[in-house]
Amino acid sequence: GQQLNQSPQSMFIQEGEDVSMNCTSSSIFNTWLWYKQEPGEGPVLLIALYKAGELTSNGRLTAQFGITRKDSFLNISASIPSDVGIYFCAGPGEYNFNKFYFGSGTKLNVKP
Amino acid sequence: NAGVTQTPKFRVLKTGQSMTLLCAQDMNHEYMYWYRQDPGMGLRLIHYSVGEGTTAKGEVPDGYNVSRLKKQNFLLGLESAAPSQTSVYFCASSYSVSPEQFFGPGTRLTVL
Repeated sequence: GQQLNQSPQSMFIQEGEDVSMNCTSSSIFNTWLWYKQEPGEGPVLLIALYKAGELTSNGRLTAQFGITRKDSFLNISASIPSDVGIYFCAGPGEYNFNKFYFGSGTKLNVKP
Repeated sequence: NAGVTQTPKFRVLKTGQSMTLLCAQDMNHEYMYWYRQDPGMGLRLIHYSVGEGTTAKGEVPDGYNVSRLKKQNFLLGLESAAPSQTSVYFCASSYSVSPEQFFGPGTRLTVL
């Protein structure tokens, strides 16, 4: 299957700091999705990207679809304690739109 | 709307026992998915369905069976549970024209 590598695996930051994380793939993705998962819950969609080079914001979150179509980036500005959770990148397979692949996640911890 | 619901929330099985996990959605979504999530890993697709009466294999289908007799329900079965199937199972659904999936709260399964 297609592999998605996320980095960093975890982050410990101070409230108010900006955060950056990224996701890379060995193969091309035509859609990139960013999800957040809080403890004991299912993932919730944050941002969807559909076009190479696209930059999309959702409040303090901004995500970019890499030009090579093999990577994507998520930035969180002015972090707050409720940003705590695991952030996953995901996308449908290049040859089968219905088969979704998820990265292993970036765990974010925010100190008040 | 309840969104995506999963039953049960928790279950403990002995090796060799069978069980069925139920997923229900009230959003009239055509597509439904079953994933498993293991510690430190992203979600991996087990099986999916693109419509009532249809199912297909995902990335890790061995040891599981599924059925989609009604559009709103997607069942995941374990015929003979093994300790390697200890995991958190998530169901998701989406519209056919969108890659954006909506997730249920998960079922935590332990196989002893």
